[in-house]
Amino acid sequence: SSELTQDPAVSVALGQTVKITCQGDSVRIYYASWYQQRPGQAPVLVMYGKNNRPSEIPDRFSGSVSGNTASLIITGAQAEDEGIYYCSSRDSSAKHAVFGEGTRLTVL
Amino acid sequence: ELTLVESGGDLVQPGGSLTLSCGASGFTSTSSWMSYWMSWVRQAPGKGPEWVANIKQDGSEENYLASVKGRFTITRDNARNSVYLQMNSLRVEDTAIYYCVRGDGTSWPFDHWGQGTLVTVSS
Repeated sequence: SSELTQDPAVSVALGQTVKITCQGDSVRIYYASWYQQRPGQAPVLVMYGKNNRPSEIPDRFSGSVSGNTASLIITGAQAEDEGIYYCSSRDSSAKHAVFGEGTRLTVL
Repeated sequence: ELTLVESGGDLVQPGGSLTLSCGASGFTSTSSWMSYWMSWVRQAPGKGPEWVANIKQDGSEENYLASVKGRFTITRDNARNSVYLQMNSLRVEDTAIYYCVRGDGTSWPFDHWGQGTLVTVSS
C-alpha cells in the first residue's frame, strides 16, 4: 500500500464542485502535487505546492492543505475533467517522490 | 513548447538488458535544460505511477528506487539535451510504460512528461 491514501473513486455532477483528497504524513511538511491522467495518455501536472497551478491549467482547479491532508478542488467540473487523479509527495525518507494509488473522477 | 520523446522500449526476456533514451526539444537554451533534474517514472498496467530514478542537472548525483538500485543506471548528455536509462537484470515486475519526466518530484514537481515507452519483460 502507498504512503499516500486516496479514495478510489469520486463522482460529481456536471458544473458542481468536487474535492479529491490525499492523506499522508509527508503532506504536512512537503505538500503534494496533483496529476491528471486521461485514458491512454501520460499524466499531466495540474497543481503543486500549497496552491500553485501551471499556466495552462484552468482556474477551476485549486488546491489546499490542512494538517496531513491535501485537497484538489474542481469548482464547476467539466466533462473533460474525467480521469484518474494522482497525488504525489515525499516518501518516508523524505528523499524521493511517491505517488498515491489514484482517485477515479467521474463527471455525471 | 517543451517536448520529451522516449524511445527504446521493447519485449525482453527476464535477466535481459535494455537502454531507454529521451530527447528533449523546446528548451530555450542549453542552460535552461541544465536548470532541471530529470527523472524516469514508470507505470505498470492498471497501476499508478512509480518514480524510478532521477539525475541532477550536471549529472553529479543520481537517486534510485530501492528495487532498481544496482540494476538501473540513469545518465544524461547535456550537449544533446538527452537522458538515458540503462536497465540490466530485468524482471517481470519491471514491465511498465516508462516516462521521461522533467523535475525530481521533491524540490520541483514532475511538470513535463513524455508520451512513454513500453517495456515488457516476459519469457
